[in-house]
Amino acid sequence: EVQLVESGGGLVQPGGSLRLSCAASGFTFSSYWMSWLRQAPGKGLEWVANIKEDGSDKNYVDCVKGRFTISRDNANKSLNLQMNSLRAEDTAVYYCARGSTVGEWGQGTLVTVSS
Amino acid sequence: DIQMTQTPSSLSASVGDRVTITCRASQGIRNDLGWYQQKPGKAPKRLIYSASNLQGGVPSRFSASGSGTEFTLTISSLQPEDFATYYCLQHNSYSYTFGQGTKVQIK
Repeated sequence: EVQLVESGGGLVQPGGSLRLSCAASGFTFSSYWMSWLRQAPGKGLEWVANIKEDGSDKNYVDCVKGRFTISRDNANKSLNLQMNSLRAEDTAVYYCARGSTVGEWGQGTLVTVSS
Repeated sequence: DIQMTQTPSSLSASVGDRVTITCRASQGIRNDLGWYQQKPGKAPKRLIYSASNLQGGVPSRFSASGSGTEFTLTISSLQPEDFATYYCLQHNSYSYTFGQGTKVQIK
């Protein structure tokens, strides 16, 4: 069974940093693209970033370019999202998801950017 | 970037009704589209992949069609557990985009 478990969310001040992680199990992690997506409170879904199987290709939504960095550790089956220069509008539940077509999702972790 | 226009934004329907939701892409995306169902407080669940393929375990009352720029999701006979918000997602370009969502409510 595919399992994705996000962690690392919390309350952070504007301008601060946070690192999210996603622990994967139940599949061959190194064989799949992986994505981060988010949902602001009461709003729709937004794709944030994705990373190729070997980490050699990464893509980002425009509003996080230069601030967020996606990475992966295939040996430890983990996906990461380093978030710097956080803004109030980054407040959301962040999800990781499997595959270039965004199949299975984790349960999400809440990031709140507020002073 | 590719824009996805999803309609309607909400609808009210009764159990047993046939429901159709549409997504229109701003440019052709072949069949690089998925449909998701989200219930309050839960992660989205994919129902359809590659525009028309039913995800394993999803009831057959869900179906979808389309290619290029026009896509539809149909629920043939709405059930109580289908009241939720539905989203389309295009994954054709390097930057993925969702439709705005359709909230299906009880009439």
